[in-house]
Amino acid sequence: NAGVTQTPKFRILKIGQSMTLQCTQDMNHNYMYWYRQDPGMGLKLIYYSVGAGITDKGEVPNGYNVSRSTTEDFPLRLELAAPSQTSVYFCASATGQYFNTEAFFGQGTRLTVV
Amino acid sequence: GENVEQHPSTLSVQEGDSAVIKCTYSDSASNYFPWYKQELGKRPQLIIDIRSNVGEKKDQRIAVTLNKTAKHFSLHITETQPEDSAVYFCAATFTGTASKLTFGTGTRLQVTL
Repeated sequence: NAGVTQTPKFRILKIGQSMTLQCTQDMNHNYMYWYRQDPGMGLKLIYYSVGAGITDKGEVPNGYNVSRSTTEDFPLRLELAAPSQTSVYFCASATGQYFNTEAFFGQGTRLTVV
Repeated sequence: GENVEQHPSTLSVQEGDSAVIKCTYSDSASNYFPWYKQELGKRPQLIIDIRSNVGEKKDQRIAVTLNKTAKHFSLHITETQPEDSAVYFCAATFTGTASKLTFGTGTRLQVTL
């Protein structure tokens, strides 16, 4: 199993450009998450999904959009990139049983907006 | 809203000493409390977790304690080694948003020789 795979690993965007961060998991997990981690800071939840067709906002959703058309994929869309979106983005997935279980993280995408 | 506070933000210990990191949470109905370790430039990885129906869990040099009345939980690392140096995050799942995992702000642990 590959686990959680994110692409790309690195990206530089110009202000106002758009891009999609890809995330796919092969563990048949129901729950998927997008977090951002600013330098020296913690993990802030952007969006999450409890299953295909269902998404919900986390604590910092502004400037981002997501979709969940399949169980495996959970792409994150940045429409008009701003310098404040410079960060490392982590996708994660979990089985989502009643008491919750371990969240597995992807290797991260380092995004710089200039 | 949901909130997880973590202290201290940095911690320096000598090799062989113990390290303790504490977290408090806001929702008394939370039921799952994992701890993640993140090495420099790497992804967070689970090191231990505890559920609300137990008060303590141990795995070799790592232990976690939970006090539901006081709404706090702690990570204990004994006999620290240089490879324990990393950033540690606590997290909690809140009832009503059982699918949402909220993280603390992290503790940078430095184990010195």
